[in-house]
Amino acid sequence: GAVVSQHPSWVICKSGTSVKIECRSLDFQATTMFWYRQFPKQSLMLMATSNEGSKATYEQGVEKDKFLINHASLTLSTLTVTSAHPEDSSFYICSASGVLARDNEQFFGPGTRLTVL
Amino acid sequence: LAKTTQPISMDSYEGQEVNITCSHNNIATNDYITWYQQFPSQGPRFIIQGYKTKVTNEVASLFIPADRKSSTLSLPRVSLSDTAVYYCLVGDPRGSTLGRLYFGRGTQLTVWP
Repeated sequence: GAVVSQHPSWVICKSGTSVKIECRSLDFQATTMFWYRQFPKQSLMLMATSNEGSKATYEQGVEKDKFLINHASLTLSTLTVTSAHPEDSSFYICSASGVLARDNEQFFGPGTRLTVL
Repeated sequence: LAKTTQPISMDSYEGQEVNITCSHNNIATNDYITWYQQFPSQGPRFIIQGYKTKVTNEVASLFIPADRKSSTLSLPRVSLSDTAVYYCLVGDPRGSTLGRLYFGRGTQLTVWP
């Protein structure tokens, strides 16, 4: 299957700083990328959907000014957590869907563990 | 969006067949049923997808009765490495959700030696 990478795999930052997470599709063009957040022992929660070259669509309750998403190319999407606070500590996962995807299949990245002190 | 209900947890032993059932009473005509597997601190991995009757691939089988109000993921001869959370999702790949996936609570499968 297609490969999606995330960088960094984990990050620790101080409260008030901003953190950028990259999501790359390594061997296919991702027309759509999705960002999820997962708290310990809980399910994945969809945060936003991004299409290459257009603004992201955020799910209800997700602050677009706090979670900035950029999908500048068909292989890269970034999520920036601005002015991070301890409650933003979570596991952030991206997924990508593109020309290789059958129907609703998404290829998920390995996730990024964010810890805000 | 059709809501799904799965058991919170299941236990099994190595070599046994495991069947995880998902209820989706409000499934729509155009909805497909998809199962994902997730290991701790990793992203989910696609297992299988189906619309009706039975689908089989190299890792699992998916059984869907005629009324499509439930589905059963069957894992043959599980091993310790099958210990993971399994998610059942229902949606229309080409519908209004445009590919967005909404995960339920999932089923934690624990395989014992």
